[in-house]
Amino acid sequence: GQQVMQIPQYQHVQEGEDFTTYCNSSTTLSNIQWYKQRPGGHPVFLIQLVKSGEVKKQKRLTFQFGEAKKNSSLHITATQTTDVGTYFCAGPRGNTPLVFGKGTRLSVIA
Amino acid sequence: SAVISQKPSRDICQRGTSLTIQCQVDSQVTMMFWYRQQPGQSLTLIATANQGSEATYESGFVIDKFPISRPNLTFSTLTVSNMSPEDSSIYLCSVEWIKGYEDTQYFGPGTRLTVL
Repeated sequence: GQQVMQIPQYQHVQEGEDFTTYCNSSTTLSNIQWYKQRPGGHPVFLIQLVKSGEVKKQKRLTFQFGEAKKNSSLHITATQTTDVGTYFCAGPRGNTPLVFGKGTRLSVIA
Repeated sequence: SAVISQKPSRDICQRGTSLTIQCQVDSQVTMMFWYRQQPGQSLTLIATANQGSEATYESGFVIDKFPISRPNLTFSTLTVSNMSPEDSSIYLCSVEWIKGYEDTQYFGPGTRLTVL
């Protein structure tokens, strides 16, 4: 079945450094979504990408959807301590609305 | 967006007992979902709960173990039956939210379950 792979599993950065997490699917996705989960919190929707090659920005966050619609990335510019958390990508699989990647846990050292 | 509440927020239960988790939404939604998340792990979908029909379970999850009710468009329950320590996890409900071209999910705060 479709797998949604995410790398890296962990990332430790100094405050002010950039951060990128990558998501890859074994099959073409109709859309991909990104969620952020703060420590002790619940997943919070960030964005949905639908179009091939789509790029969306939210302040310091840049999201990309690959041309083949099989991969995606989330890039954070100049990380801040408020960026700490786990970032999940998720995409639909058959009749399952969302299959989540394993997530990338971001730590920011002040 | 939708505001979702869950009860209880956490519980400690004995092996062999059952716990029912409630999920309440502040607006009517068609699709509700129940997930399980082991600490530090990803989310795994247990089942999809649609009002007026039987829940649809994912592979590895069965109705006898995780019965679900969906009596109306704002409420659902998940029961974890005959619990064992392996059921210790965070259980999250979510709702489908469609706005324009976006079809996303909003999550409740979760129920942290510990089985002794």
